[in-house]
Amino acid sequence: EAQVTQNPRYLITVTGKKLTVTCSQNMNHEYMSWYRQDPGLGLRQIYYSMNVEVTDKGDVPEGYKVSRKEKRNFPLILESPSPNQTSLYFCASSLSIMGYQETQYFGPGTRLLVL
Amino acid sequence: QKEVEQDPGPLSVPEGAIVSLNCTYSNSAFQYFMWYRQYSRKGPELLMYTYSSGNKEDGRFTAQVDKSSKYISLFIRDSQPSDSATYLCAMSAGTGNQFYFGTGTSLTVIP
Repeated sequence: EAQVTQNPRYLITVTGKKLTVTCSQNMNHEYMSWYRQDPGLGLRQIYYSMNVEVTDKGDVPEGYKVSRKEKRNFPLILESPSPNQTSLYFCASSLSIMGYQETQYFGPGTRLLVL
Repeated sequence: QKEVEQDPGPLSVPEGAIVSLNCTYSNSAFQYFMWYRQYSRKGPELLMYTYSSGNKEDGRFTAQVDKSSKYISLFIRDSQPSDSATYLCAMSAGTGNQFYFGTGTSLTVIP
């Protein structure tokens, strides 16, 4: 089954404790992306990656890091989480056709609470 | 000013009604326009995708793009209770670019 998986699905942590949210896709997609979703603000793009070893900042990259060492994986790293990073996080991937990313497939989401 | 503006609703309609959902945007470079549906506690799923201006129809769903007015719409005909969800518009300028999402409109279709 074609899918995007994220782990963990739920996470409670404390300020300053480094954490990683994993994202993996089995569709051989070039393009992967991380979003956060907050009430009243909608989905905002954090980072995206056009391919292996290529990453770019989205709308709200501060406080986050990503890496793309393999095509299928795109982990999101919070080096020193703060309460304002409490949010619902989605990973997404899409096939890149002539450089354009069409249908984005979203993961099930990771709900993060930073105390 | 936000890149994409979307009325959050909530919108409540009786079953069988025609629903109209809208977004406006400010960036004239946007060329690709998408509508996503998001059920509670799930990730968004793509409903419709349109390039540039014009209409696109898929079953009960019709997407319209008016680039001159920087305005996009999604129409749902014969709405069903299963259409109850949050609808998100999204836009992109194209190759390698970011995607920008509206805040979403919450729709409830009452049986």
